[in-house]
Amino acid sequence: EPEVTQTPSHQVTQMGQEVILRCVPISNHLYFYWYRQILGQKVEFLVSFYNNEISEKSEIFDDQFSVERPDGSNFTLKIRSTKLEDSAMYFCASSEGSRYGYTFGSGTRLTVV
Amino acid sequence: EDQVTQSPEALRLQEGESSSLNCSYTVSGLRGLFWYRQDPGKGPEFLFTLYSAGEEKEKERLKATLTKKESFLHITAPKPEDSATYLCAVQANQAGTALIFGKGTTLSVSS
Repeated sequence: EPEVTQTPSHQVTQMGQEVILRCVPISNHLYFYWYRQILGQKVEFLVSFYNNEISEKSEIFDDQFSVERPDGSNFTLKIRSTKLEDSAMYFCASSEGSRYGYTFGSGTRLTVV
Repeated sequence: EDQVTQSPEALRLQEGESSSLNCSYTVSGLRGLFWYRQDPGKGPEFLFTLYSAGEEKEKERLKATLTKKESFLHITAPKPEDSATYLCAVQANQAGTALIFGKGTTLSVSS
């Protein structure tokens, strides 16, 4: 069964450093997403990406964050100048269409120290 | 404000003891309601999408139903491997394709 692949599975970074989280969505999917889940809290929407541009973003997705689809397969989330409160599980997801169920990856656990 | 509330927060069942999980929602026009299963340290795994009141979907021991205000996930004769956190999420007309998640119900099934 096709799956969304995320790397790394766990990343530890120092406060103020930049991190790049990587995702390979399912190949025929058109919509790509990043969500995050702080320990013990709800899964929260960050950003959606369609047709090579951001289609929606939440209030969380401020100038500290950016997304890119550098080639036909990868989808990345960059977090500049990380803060302690950025520590969370970050999930990438993709879907065939806007009303289809998403397929989520297994996540990257980001720990900012 | 669009909101999703799940109850109970936690549920313990004996193997074979059927029950239901509730998801109540307040949205400005529902595009779709989604159920996911999440195992510890993993990403949500898609179960069902429901689009309109009265719709029902089934998969093995799980059945999801939808009304205009809430959805139920019925678990019939659960097994220990059904233990997980079950997440409900909605897609609202004014939120585009973004999903708004509830906090989830953590189900534990003992043998």
